[in-house]
Amino acid sequence: QSALTQPASVSGSPGQSITISCSGTSSDIGNYNYVSWYQHHPGKAPKAIIHDVSIRPSGISDRFSGSKSGNRASLTISGLQAEDEADYYCSSYKSGDTVIFGGGTKLTVL
Amino acid sequence: EVQLLEFGGGLVQPGGSLRLSCAASGFTFSAYAMDWVRQAPGKGLEWVSDINYSSTSTYYADSVRGRFSISRDNSKNTLYLQMNSLRAEDTAVYYCARSMWWQNDFWGQGTLVTVSS
Repeated sequence: QSALTQPASVSGSPGQSITISCSGTSSDIGNYNYVSWYQHHPGKAPKAIIHDVSIRPSGISDRFSGSKSGNRASLTISGLQAEDEADYYCSSYKSGDTVIFGGGTKLTVL
Repeated sequence: EVQLLEFGGGLVQPGGSLRLSCAASGFTFSAYAMDWVRQAPGKGLEWVSDINYSSTSTYYADSVRGRFSISRDNSKNTLYLQMNSLRAEDTAVYYCARSMWWQNDFWGQGTLVTVSS
């Protein structure tokens, strides 16, 4: 099963905002709100930062926000900080009782 | 505090078997579905398998169906992944993760599985 489509890399300066897109199909993002975003610093455990398209878990900064339109989900990080530099993955429930991840986006804080 | 700790990774020959374990603490293990997710070297995350809270339902990625088996022991707060007929492409860090509605809210640190002769 093919991965959801994310840009391989994005970058921004401290204080700026960036948006990471995640494109799927009507079999996943387009028909289900079980869309999550994860932050992954290599060598560490991935961390959930958004679930159910736009809900932040307790303790996650409000600088992180999620949205969805049609078959596409987005993660926006505002007020970029050096510690935001990491890999970011989207995921979605996919019809047939499976989960599909995006290919990942490497965020560089300049 | 939710903690998930994976065990059992290592080096195995192609065609061999390995069983991973994940010890859970800090939450009511028997109330949650659990997943295995893996990351091959230099690649992204790949969902592997899911088991519901009572073990009555299990789900697998096409890439592992028929070779891997997920199970759990709620009396021991432990999740398992039995991996048979291992291939080089199964080489990855394997994470266990708590699941709610097909989304993972807590993850372990992972255990490395290397399939090589």
